[in-house]
Amino acid sequence: NAGVTQTPKFQVLKTGQSMTLQCAQDMNHEYMSWYRQDPGMGLRLIHYSVGAGITDQGEVPNGYNVSRSTTEDFPLRLLSAAPSQTSVYFCASSRNPGLQETQYFGPGTRLLVL
Amino acid sequence: GESVGLHLPTLSVQEGDNSIINCAYSNSASDYFIWYKQESGKGPQFIIDIRSNMDKRQGQRVTVLLNKTVKHLSLQIAATQPGDSAVYFCAENFQGAQKLVFGQGTRLTINP
Repeated sequence: NAGVTQTPKFQVLKTGQSMTLQCAQDMNHEYMSWYRQDPGMGLRLIHYSVGAGITDQGEVPNGYNVSRSTTEDFPLRLLSAAPSQTSVYFCASSRNPGLQETQYFGPGTRLLVL
Repeated sequence: GESVGLHLPTLSVQEGDNSIINCAYSNSASDYFIWYKQESGKGPQFIIDIRSNMDKRQGQRVTVLLNKTVKHLSLQIAATQPGDSAVYFCAENFQGAQKLVFGQGTRLTINP
């Protein structure tokens, strides 16, 4: 199994540009989530999904959209990038939507918005 | 409110010594706790977890202790090695909640 994969590894955007961060998992996990990590801080939840067709907002959802058309994929979209969205983004997945199990994280996408 | 914090942002230990990383949580309803290790440039990696019906759980060279009375969690690493250098995060969850709440992290550095 590849686990959780994320693309791209690094991206530079100009203010106002849009892009999609890709996340895929091959473990047949129902639960997937997106976090952002800023310097010296822990992870903050952006959006999550408990299964295909179901998404919900986390702690910091503004400026981001998600969809879950398949169990495997959970893309994160930035509609109009802002410098405040410069961060490292991590995707994670787990089997149990109640999260009483291990979450597996991807390697991250480093995003710089100029 | 829901928050998970750490007493110390950095911890330096001598190679071979034991390390103790602490975490305080505020939600008394939390019943599942996880420790993650994050090496530079990588995603968080699961180390060990514990449920609230336990007060101690051991893994390979790691032990997690849970004190529900004072809402305190700790990670003990035995015989610390250079490869243990990383940022360590605790996270909490309560039954039925759809998210983990992460602490700020503690950076562990190993002195030779």
